[in-house]
Amino acid sequence: KQEVTQIPAALSVPEGENLVLNCSFTDSAIYNLQWFRQDPGKGLTSLLLIQSSQREQTSGRLNASLDKSSGRSTLYIAASQPGDSATYLCAVLSGTYKYIFGTGTRLKVLA
Amino acid sequence: GAGVSQSPRYKVAKRGQDVALRCDPISGHVSLFWYQQALGQGPEFLTYFQNEAQLDKSGLPSDRFFAERPEGSVSTLKIQRTQQEDSAVYLCASSPKGLAGRSNTGELFFGEGSRLTVL
Repeated sequence: KQEVTQIPAALSVPEGENLVLNCSFTDSAIYNLQWFRQDPGKGLTSLLLIQSSQREQTSGRLNASLDKSSGRSTLYIAASQPGDSATYLCAVLSGTYKYIFGTGTRLKVLA
Repeated sequence: GAGVSQSPRYKVAKRGQDVALRCDPISGHVSLFWYQQALGQGPEFLTYFQNEAQLDKSGLPSDRFFAERPEGSVSTLKIQRTQQEDSAVYLCASSPKGLAGRSNTGELFFGEGSRLTVL
């Protein structure tokens, strides 16, 4: 059974820092991995989608990497801003039709 | 519409009442998912539709939960005889491609969710 873990559960950093969020999964047979952002009381917004054949994706200040063999993905946020404060979730598509989500990392960027 | 739309945004039900939650996916999207999200947790899979076919309902917690997508667009999640443990945010997501085949899987687009509180 696929399990997805995110570390750390919460993170508080001063504005301007570069930071790394971690996602690990137990079954390396995945089709893709997505990173999402969730603001309080809102739905999820897709940030980056990495297909199983890819190693990384970049969008602006965000870079996500995927290492299927070790069951890990990292989300790198450069030059963090207070507007980046949110919960970041990763999800993997494996097995049948389910995206399996981690419990998220709650990020707070202090001005 | 431009995005996934869910209604109602908030629903308060008395224990034992039936509720219906609606999802309007992005026009033309083949895949539709329902997820349940408890406070402080990641979303948990409930069910998956490819067009009008419900291909996976393994995440539905009990036979009180029922979902349909009769014409392959709008979907309804129905919960019968609601219990307090059903209180959660119910999220709908759509994706442009179907998951059968898996040659290239697309992004998930989520709605803002329906927050259900059962008293």
